[in-house]
Formats: sequence, structure tokens, C-alpha cells
Amino acid sequence: EIVMTQSPATLSVSPGERATLSCRASQTIRSNLAWYQQKPGQAPRLLIYGASTRATGIPARFSGSGSGTEFTLTISSLQSEDFAVYYCQHYKNWPSLTFGGGTKVEIK
Amino acid sequence: EVQLLESGGGLVQPGGSLRLSCVASGFNFNFYAMNWVRQAPGKGPEWVSGISGSGGNTYYADSVKGRFTISRDNAKNTLFLQMDSLRGEDTALYYCAKGLVIGPAATPFDYWGQGTLLTVSP
Repeated sequence: EIVMTQSPATLSVSPGERATLSCRASQTIRSNLAWYQQKPGQAPRLLIYGASTRATGIPARFSGSGSGTEFTLTISSLQSEDFAVYYCQHYKNWPSLTFGGGTKVEIK
Repeated sequence: EVQLLESGGGLVQPGGSLRLSCVASGFNFNFYAMNWVRQAPGKGPEWVSGISGSGGNTYYADSVKGRFTISRDNAKNTLFLQMDSLRGEDTALYYCAKGLVIGPAATPFDYWGQGTLLTVSP
């Protein structure tokens, strides 16, 4: 099973600043990597797929990069609505589409 | 508008069974793989099971293999998860989630329901 590891667990950022989140896969997943945002009481929302393609309606301040085993989600200028938990997920192949443990982005 | 509405959660004793349902609307249901994803309180999401658009291929996480069965009724735009031999660690909010693209390959999930809560406790 492919293990997804996210860092840091918590990221404290001031509004307007840049946030950089990391995700590492235990083996290569090529570009089969998605990022989700989850706010309290809500289902996860797809932000990025294919490691770098923004999902429909996602603002341009969200960008993804990486391939193979190392991936990054960057939020260029944090808005108040961006404080949330972010998860990466691989979808290289069935049957196990594992998620990372998450990074909580909190207000500094 | 895509909508996914889960139901069927509740309180079950260890060893018991329950069936979850997810009614879909707003898209060609039979074209897309569907999935169940669960989230225990305070934890991250855990993919549980997936099924191809036709229903001919099913996939399970090791943690539920042999105990859970995923199925779908394309005529009724409904996804199911039959859960048997339930354990305390199955306690979670269960989401159904739609695959992003048509086809046999695994894909990320572009729409999620609001979830149905399963509690396994004596």
C-alpha cells in the first residue's frame, strides 16, 4: 500500500502571506495526486488533481506542483476562507486510494 | 447540479450489520465510478471502497475487505454499502463520492455528499 505523508501537521500563517504544504508518497505515483480542502462540518472539496490542475471554480491563488514522490500545494496569498485542513490523496491505481494525514492551516 | 444524498447510518452493536445508500442526481450516474470514503471523529478521510460505472469491478480497502460489499443500481441512480461484522473502529461519518472522470482508471473525487454517521457501540 502506498503511504502518503504530509508536512507540517500544522501551519500558522498570517492573512495575505504564502502557505506551502508538502506531501510525500512512499513510492512513485507519477502525477496521480489530488489535494482537498476541508472546513469544519463540511465534506472535503477537490482543489487540485493531476498534481497541478485546478478543479472547476478553484481560485488561481491555489497551485500544485511535483511528480513522482514529492508534491507541493501553494496558496499564494491566504484569504480568511482558506484557513482549513488540507489533504493529499493518491489515485495511482485501485484498490487503495490513500489520503495523507492532513495539514491544518491556521491563523497566525 | 450534482447532488449526492447518503442515508442509512445509525447506532449498531459490534458484530451487527447495516446498509448505507447514496442517491445521486445531476449527472449520468452509470458513466462514473463511485466511492465510499469514511472519516472517524477528528481524523482524516479514509477511502473504503469503489465501484466502476457498470458495477462490474469493485475495490476495497484492506480494513474492510471481506466485511463490506459495495454495489449500485444504475436504474435508480443509487449506490450502496452493505456493512457486516461491524467493529468499533468502523465508527465514522461515511461519505459517497463521485469519480472525476469517466473510465476504468482510478480518479479523484469531485463531488461528495454530506455523509451519514455510523456508530458501532455496545
